[in-house]
Amino acid sequence: DGGITQSPKYLFRKEGQNVTLSCEQNLNHDAMYWYRQDPGQGLRLIYYSQIVNDFQKGDIAEGYSVSREKKESFPLTVTSAQKNPTAFYLCASSQSRGINNQPQHFGDGTRLSIL
Amino acid sequence: GQQLNQSPQSMFIQEGEDVSMNCTSSSIFNTWLWYKQDPGEGPVLLIALYKAGELTSNGRLTAQFGITRKDSFLNISASIPSDVGIYFCAGQMAGSARQLTFGSGTQLTVLP
Repeated sequence: DGGITQSPKYLFRKEGQNVTLSCEQNLNHDAMYWYRQDPGQGLRLIYYSQIVNDFQKGDIAEGYSVSREKKESFPLTVTSAQKNPTAFYLCASSQSRGINNQPQHFGDGTRLSIL
Repeated sequence: GQQLNQSPQSMFIQEGEDVSMNCTSSSIFNTWLWYKQDPGEGPVLLIALYKAGELTSNGRLTAQFGITRKDSFLNISASIPSDVGIYFCAGQMAGSARQLTFGSGTQLTVLP
């Protein structure tokens, strides 16, 4: 089955710790994205990557870091500098194809909580 | 960042009724997308719109790309219990490197 796999589903972090959220896609999509979702709000873009070994900050990148060493993988690290990390994190991917922007498809998310 | 105003914020309807929700912006978008999200899951794409005036259906769902390119609406006809969830609009501007701006969502509850 083609799709986007996020792991783990639930993650708990102690204050002061860094944690890494995994996102893998087997759709052969060029672009990948990380969003944060808080209750009652829309999705906010953290980081995105259009191609391997390249990524750009989104609207709320502070306290987060990413890497894109492989086309299928785009892990997100929530660092201790992120003061309010409790949220639902969503990974997405899309294909680059001509001038029409292709829709983004989402994984099932990781819920991060602070102990 | 850009803002998308999505309304209504929540809706309670009887099974079998039709539903309408919309998104508006002060900016022009080249693409409008509608997603549905169930609790604890990621959003699932319902309809994608690429041209001003475009009207597209997906089963009981119909969405339109506004002529001004600043708005879009989603209609659901003859609602059923599994329509329950949060519906999000998302817009993409030209030259935005495929970034999406999301509305804040419409929480739909279908009463039996």
